[in-house]
Amino acid sequence: GESVGLHLPTLSVQEGDNSIINCAYSNSASDYFIWYKQESGKGPQFIIDIRSNMDKRQGQRVTVLLNKTVKHLSLQIAATQPGDSAVYFCAENMRPGRRALTFGSGTRLQVQP
Amino acid sequence: GAGVSQSPSNKVTEKGKDVELRCDPISGHTALYWYRQSLGQGLEFLIYFQGNSAPDKSGLPSDRFSAERTGGSVSTLTIQRTQQEDSAVYLCASSLQPDTQYFGPGTRLTVL
Repeated sequence: GESVGLHLPTLSVQEGDNSIINCAYSNSASDYFIWYKQESGKGPQFIIDIRSNMDKRQGQRVTVLLNKTVKHLSLQIAATQPGDSAVYFCAENMRPGRRALTFGSGTRLQVQP
Repeated sequence: GAGVSQSPSNKVTEKGKDVELRCDPISGHTALYWYRQSLGQGLEFLIYFQGNSAPDKSGLPSDRFSAERTGGSVSTLTIQRTQQEDSAVYLCASSLQPDTQYFGPGTRLTVL
């Protein structure tokens, strides 16, 4: 079936605003989800993860929300900064115990100064 | 080292040649993963190692692709008889915990 995410969209926000990046996942058997940030020419950088027994998890300036009813994952970035500009990927494990991650196609975040 | 390292950072080869890509995981990480990323796309899983064994190699696209890991550390991804569609960024990740994977900078492979 179709993997996580959408064809690469772009989200443009003003510096200081909050950003919300959304991701739809298709496999209800997934029990682990993770967000990565990828800057041009670099490897993905871990941001935050969440297990299916939680619906919210907070990190530094970031919050991940998981809605299993509608199979939706979101990443909220507070007080967005120019350094947050990158492509953001969500990923899922597709089933419990699977170590490989299935990635979406990503969302480009552009922060306007 | 502080993070996952990969070499070379860039590789240009001719169609039909073999290439080897190297990954040095974070010290002490028992699990190692290979992914590839085509231009503007998400990551595609290739193979996963736990120690020196590969319990999941379901993502390898053809028998031209193989990988090994020795000493529970360094891994090599080999692509034989490269084709133009093999051009991509090959990314390695490692993990200590079961889930959180940390990625290296990748090797950009260009097949002419």
